[in-house]
Amino acid sequence: SQTIHQWPATLVQPVGSPLSLECTVEGTSNPNLYWYRQAAGRGLQLLFYSVGIGQISSEVPQNLSASRPQDRQFILSSKKLLLSDSGFYLCAWSSGLYEYFGPGTRLTVT
Amino acid sequence: ELKVEQNPLFLSMQEGKNYTIYCNYSTTSDRLYWYRQDPGKSLESLFVLLSNGAVKQEGRLMASLDTKARLSTLHITAAVHDLSATYFCAVDMYETSGTYKYIFGTGTRLKVLA
Repeated sequence: SQTIHQWPATLVQPVGSPLSLECTVEGTSNPNLYWYRQAAGRGLQLLFYSVGIGQISSEVPQNLSASRPQDRQFILSSKKLLLSDSGFYLCAWSSGLYEYFGPGTRLTVT
Repeated sequence: ELKVEQNPLFLSMQEGKNYTIYCNYSTTSDRLYWYRQDPGKSLESLFVLLSNGAVKQEGRLMASLDTKARLSTLHITAAVHDLSATYFCAVDMYETSGTYKYIFGTGTRLKVLA
């Protein structure tokens, strides 16, 4: 069966510090991968999606970037965090129909 | 631009009552998804509706899709406290990159009062 992992589960970072969130999928190959952000009490905002290694589509440029160095690994990064980057970050994978979400990373920028 | 709107945004209801959450979307899509999110948790898939007229039921929840009206409903029958959560609908959009991206509604926060 397929499993999706995210780490860390929680993170507190000061403004201006870098960020790296990791997502890995097990039990499937060549998945479509997605990063979403959910601000407190709000809906999901699609940030990036990827159809394959090195292929990244950006929905929200801002100060975030994503990379897919391996088939089942998706990384969300920032060089300098802003207060507005606080939120719940969800990674998801899809085979083309169903979308499955990871447990999420709660990021607080102080 | 594809937009997905849900209403109501907040719903407080008594146990045992029935209610419906509505999900409207702005462009053609044959597939509609419903998710549940508990506080502080990730999203859990509830239903995938794949065609016009599709109806799916699980326990006290029933979802339906009318692609001509661009409308999906999530009906709650005889609500119980355990159904308290935030419910999201989503539609997918095919991209030229060869994948689908998913556009989510604003969410409906449901609170069932004992």
